[in-house]
Amino acid sequence: KAGVTQTPRYLIKTRGQQVTLSCSPISGHRSVSWYQQTPGQGLQFLFEYFSETQRNKGNFPGRFSGRQFSNSRSEMNVSTLELGDSALYLCASSPGTGTFTGELFFGEGSRLTVL
Amino acid sequence: AQSVTQLDSQVPVFEEAPVELRCNYSSSVSVYLFWYVQYPNQGLQLLLKYLSGSTLVKGINGFEAEFNKSQTSFHLRKPSVHISDTAEYFCAVSEPGGSYIPTFGRGTSLIVHP
Repeated sequence: KAGVTQTPRYLIKTRGQQVTLSCSPISGHRSVSWYQQTPGQGLQFLFEYFSETQRNKGNFPGRFSGRQFSNSRSEMNVSTLELGDSALYLCASSPGTGTFTGELFFGEGSRLTVL
Repeated sequence: AQSVTQLDSQVPVFEEAPVELRCNYSSSVSVYLFWYVQYPNQGLQLLLKYLSGSTLVKGINGFEAEFNKSQTSFHLRKPSVHISDTAEYFCAVSEPGGSYIPTFGRGTSLIVHP
């Protein structure tokens, strides 16, 4: 069974640009969550999508947005990039329903550097 | 609201020594508890989880953790570490019946010296 796939793995942008990151969940998983990981703040929850709807949202500004497609693949977008957006962005999938416990299956992340 | 505190940001140990990584949580309801490991340039991988039942939970790579409800703790232990255990370890908590979105601690960097 293929794991969670994130693309691209590495990218460099400049301030003011925007970026789109992609995540393909494990087959059959309907929930996709996004986290931002930085050395100073640890893992911060961005949002969770389930069946194409945003079900939960963290405390991030509106520059951070996401969406989920009918095949459960998800994208997140960051507009008007700031230096502080440099981070590892992790996607995690889960069944999202039934016996869901909160256990997450993570991708390897997309490392964003903003210059 | 739930929260997780990992008391040590960094734990250095020598190879073959025992190690304990500490985790305390705050929640007003019953919880599910998790430990994840992150190797350099990789995502997080589940080590073990406590959902219910026995308070001693065994995971992969020889790790185990004990759930202590009275002390709201879920410490991770390994009797003998290897160089390959060098990694970042994250404790997480989720609340059944709620959103199930886990809250993560800030992580503990385990550094194993030869």
